[in-house]
Amino acid sequence: DIQMTQSPSSVSASVGDRVTITCRASQGISAWLAWYQQKPGKAPNLLIHPASSSQSGVPSRFSGSGSGTDFTLTISSLQPEDAATYYCQQAKSFPYTFGQGTKLEIK
Amino acid sequence: QITLKESGPTLVRPTQTLTLTCTFSGFSLSTYDVGVGWIRQSPRKALEWVALIYWDDDKRYSPSLRTRLSITKDTSKSQVILTMSNMEPVDTGTYYCARSQYSISDFDYWGQGTLVTVSS
Repeated sequence: DIQMTQSPSSVSASVGDRVTITCRASQGISAWLAWYQQKPGKAPNLLIHPASSSQSGVPSRFSGSGSGTDFTLTISSLQPEDAATYYCQQAKSFPYTFGQGTKLEIK
Repeated sequence: QITLKESGPTLVRPTQTLTLTCTFSGFSLSTYDVGVGWIRQSPRKALEWVALIYWDDDKRYSPSLRTRLSITKDTSKSQVILTMSNMEPVDTGTYYCARSQYSISDFDYWGQGTLVTVSS
């Protein structure tokens, strides 16, 4: 199985800050990486896939980059509604695997 | 508008078999490239992919759960059914169904999830 490791596990930042979350795959997955946002009590919501393509309706402050084993999700100017847990998922091969999540809190 | 909704028991006894139904609308599971999968989330919030079925009846299972799983589809009813046998307390969590596409491999639409507790 491909292991996905996110860092940090949690982050606290202020409105307007630039926030970066990292995801590392245990082996190369090209650009087969998706990012999800999950708010409390809700299902995950697809933000970006493949690694740098935003889904329709996702605010432009969200961007993704990376290829191979190292990927980043960047929020360029943090907004209060961005408080959530963020997960990466490798879509290169079965079994699909997720990172452990990064909890983003607003100061 | 694409929607998915999970249904099934909220409480299951250890060793029993869980049967979950995903009822969806806004797309067809007979359309090329389309799939419906199951993902579960533990109380500690870890996400785990469980199973997936595609338009052509190709079925994929988590290797760690494979011996306990079965996934089927009823295209006429727009439903996907997941069965998981020999349930254990560690299987407690929220079970989501979600749409996927074979060519893209992400999950672009999710159901609201259903909480399943395994306890005697």
